[in-house]
Amino acid sequence: SQQGEEDPQALSIQEGENATMNCSYKTSINNLQWYRQNSGRGLVHLILIRSNEREKHSGRLRVTLDTSKKSSSLLITASRAADTASYFCATDALALSMKTSYDKVIFGPGTSLSVIP
Amino acid sequence: ETGVTQTPRHLVMGMTNKKSLKCEQHLGHNAMYWYKQSAKKPLELMFVYSLEERVENNSVPSRFSPECPNSSHLFLHLHTLQPEDSALYLCASSQDSPGRSEAFFGQGTRLTVV
Repeated sequence: SQQGEEDPQALSIQEGENATMNCSYKTSINNLQWYRQNSGRGLVHLILIRSNEREKHSGRLRVTLDTSKKSSSLLITASRAADTASYFCATDALALSMKTSYDKVIFGPGTSLSVIP
Repeated sequence: ETGVTQTPRHLVMGMTNKKSLKCEQHLGHNAMYWYKQSAKKPLELMFVYSLEERVENNSVPSRFSPECPNSSHLFLHLHTLQPEDSALYLCASSQDSPGRSEAFFGQGTRLTVV
């Protein structure tokens, strides 16, 4: 079942503007991660934020987490054309198998960001 | 370059063919995964290997068969696939479980079943 869901599905902005993407999830989490994917390629990890953290920064990226609202946001400041990509949030979930329990991540459908030069 | 290498990058196969996807990581990670990414759908976890032991994922059809001969290599054996299996197949690895630590992804294999 889908845990995280990004909003909006697609976003188009001018270079230099800020881009904000949101992620909502349904059940309690320990961690939430944001990943980026350039067209048809692998995912690249951006930030991991733990449930006891409210905000985290990495360069031009700012991630917030509101566990009471079960939501997170990713802000990219001063966007560049090279930021054009899909952005995914991923939440952890405990899964059970025949052999053991294990942590897995559930990815949302993503936000497609286009930054126009 | 993420440290996770997948081959081939592109694969076209007929429904009666047998092929294998290969993934290799030299990051010293303990866990490796196969994901499937279809158009307009979220990433789907197919298989998890932790310390070379497979954690079952019962929702994956038997025409997909994983193999993890050692902690650095992961294969996905394909046979009698269907056109709807066409997708981007991504391999990933992590030091710890993916919920607790960063996952490193390969560039993916774009599979087309004809």
